[in-house]
Amino acid sequence: QVQLVQSGAEVKKSGSSVKVACKASGGTFNSYVISWVRQAPGQGLEWMGGIIPLFGTTNYAQKFQGRVTITADESTFTSYMQLDSLRSEDTAVYYCARRSVSPRTQPFDYWGQGTLVTVSS
Amino acid sequence: SYVLTQPPSVSVAPGKTARISCGGNNIGSKSVHWYQQRPGQAPVLVISYDNDRPSGIPERFSGSNSGNTATLTISRVEAEDEAGYYCQVWDSLSDHGVFGGGTKLTVL
Repeated sequence: QVQLVQSGAEVKKSGSSVKVACKASGGTFNSYVISWVRQAPGQGLEWMGGIIPLFGTTNYAQKFQGRVTITADESTFTSYMQLDSLRSEDTAVYYCARRSVSPRTQPFDYWGQGTLVTVSS
Repeated sequence: SYVLTQPPSVSVAPGKTARISCGGNNIGSKSVHWYQQRPGQAPVLVISYDNDRPSGIPERFSGSNSGNTATLTISRVEAEDEAGYYCQVWDSLSDHGVFGGGTKLTVL
């Protein structure tokens, strides 16, 4: 069955960067979009962006443009989300989620378990 | 950017029907998906394309979408349904995913 397994929790200093991994198994990695969604403590879900591993094309939410980089390694079926210039407001659980490439209206049908990123000063 | 509005909380007694709304400008023209999130867990898709239930989701879950409001309906509510619920669409104008603010369902 399809599984998305994420890397472990991170504690980072303000101003530094974090890179979270999401490894896919049980499905065809390249036929899907891997998206990243975050959730601050006690808050809702926030879409950050996504990547189509087959083409390497990315799409980022305007809020994170210039600060987030999403990549994919087809050889290991792994997507990465790097967030730079961390601040305390970036403390959140970061999820990867899968949806079909087309149409874009497809739902996120499988999710990773989440990675807690804590930013301290 | 496109905005989805949900009530912060809904309460319902066991065995009754819960309705959770998701408001958006002409949302009836979009495909709406709903996710359930229990505390400490990742979201789970419970309704796709307005009213399709993925495999394994109880028939008690249904959805509708018309005009400016989409609705998730949970019939014969059980204690295990207590969770956060989020609606989601794809905004074709910005080419971005959009989530509602989420609704906490409390089973009395």
